[in-house]
Amino acid sequence: AQKITQTQPGMFVQEKEAVTLDCTYDTSDQSYGLFWYKQPSSGEMIFLIYQGSYDEQNATEGRYSLNFQKARKSANLVISASQLGDSAMYFCAMREGDDYGQNFVFGPGTRLSVLP
Amino acid sequence: DGGITQSPKYLFRKEGQNVTLSCEQNLNHDAMYWYRQDPGQGLRLIYYSQIVNDFQKGDIAEGYSVSREKKESFPLTVTSAQKNPTAFYLCASSKQRQGSIHNEQFFGPGTRLTVL
Repeated sequence: AQKITQTQPGMFVQEKEAVTLDCTYDTSDQSYGLFWYKQPSSGEMIFLIYQGSYDEQNATEGRYSLNFQKARKSANLVISASQLGDSAMYFCAMREGDDYGQNFVFGPGTRLSVLP
Repeated sequence: DGGITQSPKYLFRKEGQNVTLSCEQNLNHDAMYWYRQDPGQGLRLIYYSQIVNDFQKGDIAEGYSVSREKKESFPLTVTSAQKNPTAFYLCASSKQRQGSIHNEQFFGPGTRLTVL
């Protein structure tokens, strides 16, 4: 079963507008971490933001914020004031448990295109 | 500057040849990972290593081999047994200790392998 689901293969947004990229996850662990990465066309993976399962506040990093709804198991990325440079693939990832050796699981990604 | 380097950036291989992709990190991270990414797809885990001289198979290890003789280095060999090796290969590292669930993965720039 998919542990990370990103239901939007592609999204379009007008420059300067906000956009939400969806991510739902599946875990039975109480302790887990959720990550968002950006992958431009160059291929590098850029870490954007992190949310821990015990964090009460939604994470924010500059123009990025994470809409964390624990009961619904969703961790949507919100990008405010979109810029042309935001056009890229975006991946949601999860790291389960708090034990040594827990690996990351990535979703299939969402391709965001920012229109001028 | 601390980071992860991968070489070469582009690699061409003839069918039936083994080829080794290099990955080096100077972040003093214990854990290192190899992922494969096909066009328009997410990341799939090939192998990972949590400590020197130890490594584990990921989801798609068949046709690949690794070694971890030094903390800084985690080379990946694509063998002739890998039937469809043309892909983008990403190396990553992260801190790995109990309680480190919030530690993100850092990625290298990737190697694009093409089989001729």
